[in-house]
Amino acid sequence: DVVLTQTPPTLSATIGQSVSISCRSSQSLLHSNGNTYLHWLLQRPGQSPQLLIYSVSRLESGVPNRFSGSGSGTDFTLKISGVEAEDLGVYYCVQGTHAPRTFGGGTKLELK
Amino acid sequence: EVQLVESGGGLVQPGRSLKLSCAASGFTFSNYYMAWVRQAPTKGLEWVASITNSGGSTYYRDSVKGRFTISRDNAKSTLYLQMDSLRSEDTATYYCTNDRYWGQGVMVTVSS
Repeated sequence: DVVLTQTPPTLSATIGQSVSISCRSSQSLLHSNGNTYLHWLLQRPGQSPQLLIYSVSRLESGVPNRFSGSGSGTDFTLKISGVEAEDLGVYYCVQGTHAPRTFGGGTKLELK
Repeated sequence: EVQLVESGGGLVQPGRSLKLSCAASGFTFSNYYMAWVRQAPTKGLEWVASITNSGGSTYYRDSVKGRFTISRDNAKSTLYLQMDSLRSEDTATYYCTNDRYWGQGVMVTVSS
């Protein structure tokens, strides 16, 4: 199975600070069809996950543009340009290129 | 408005069965692959099973193969997860998702 390693496991930030989360894959996530199925989710406390970014860098409808994704192959990054209070929670990367679908261990974003 | 509403969870003894349902609305259910993802208490996300939009193909994580069955009824816009021979390690909140949308989750507790 593909292993997704997220760093850091915990991130402390102040409101307005820009932060980045890394997701590294044990295998390339480039599919034979040319797409890369690496997505980012946010799970706020007590809530179900929500999709933020899909296919590396595509912003889901309704998600603020302070969120951005980048990367290729095995290295991917989620950036938040100016953290807001509503951004607190656990971020997960997830891959759908290789079966079975696997998730990163999560990065908890908390207020400093 | 898109909604995925899970039901059927609860407390069950080891070795017994439970069937989860997920009622979908607000999108064309029959066009989407669907999956069940679970989250043990205080843990991360774990893919359990998925099914193609027609229901013709199903996939399972190794630890549930032979015990869980995913199915769907496109006429009713409903996803199911039949869980047999339940174990304590199956205790988790179960989410139905099509990657883009997530339900609110349903809790399954396996304990004597």
